[in-house]
Amino acid sequence: KNQVEQSPQSLIILEGKNCTLQCNYTVSPFSNLRWYKQDTGRGPVSLTIMTFSENTKSNGRYTATLDADTKQSSLHITASQLSDSASYICVVSASGGSYIPTFGRGTSLIVHP
Amino acid sequence: GAVVSQHPSWVICKSGTSVKIECRSLDFQATTMFWYRQFPKQSLMLMATSNEGSKATYEQGVEKDKFLINHASLTLSTLTVTSAHPEDSSFYICSARGTSGPMGADTQYFGPGTRLTVL
Repeated sequence: KNQVEQSPQSLIILEGKNCTLQCNYTVSPFSNLRWYKQDTGRGPVSLTIMTFSENTKSNGRYTATLDADTKQSSLHITASQLSDSASYICVVSASGGSYIPTFGRGTSLIVHP
Repeated sequence: GAVVSQHPSWVICKSGTSVKIECRSLDFQATTMFWYRQFPKQSLMLMATSNEGSKATYEQGVEKDKFLINHASLTLSTLTVTSAHPEDSSFYICSARGTSGPMGADTQYFGPGTRLTVL
């Protein structure tokens, strides 16, 4: 069964600090992994997308890494801002088939001033 | 960048009425659209997948006669919640799968969501 697990479930940090969110998956055969940011009451917004051959991808202060061997990904946020407070969702897609992605439950990040 | 819109952004209706939610891909053609439901502090739950011009594929436990999905064009899909009840109150989000766009091929772009409250 395809699964995506994220940790921690929630995280509170001070403004300006860095943090790292984790994503482990068992989706097979792997196609791509995406990180989304979802503000409360809004739809998810794509941050990064990585395929099998990509180890890291950055989008401003967000840097995602992928280890396809261990089936792990991380999202690193640098110099956090209050606006980073949101839910971060890891989504993994399998190749072939009907392309139904598997969603993680998300990590809720709160940045305090 | 690729934009997906939803209308309305929120709706309040009486129990027993039907509500239609529109999902549009504004600057790309979406061969596949997805409809999700999200309850407070929970992850998105896929309700159905629809391909343009064909019947939607519903996830287990989702009543196709209650949640009517129409995907008449490559830029528009609609979800109609028929005979809505208070337990249908939720945040409904659509997404469109594009084969091109700023994030590269094969990326899902999400709409802003529709908050449905059934009294």
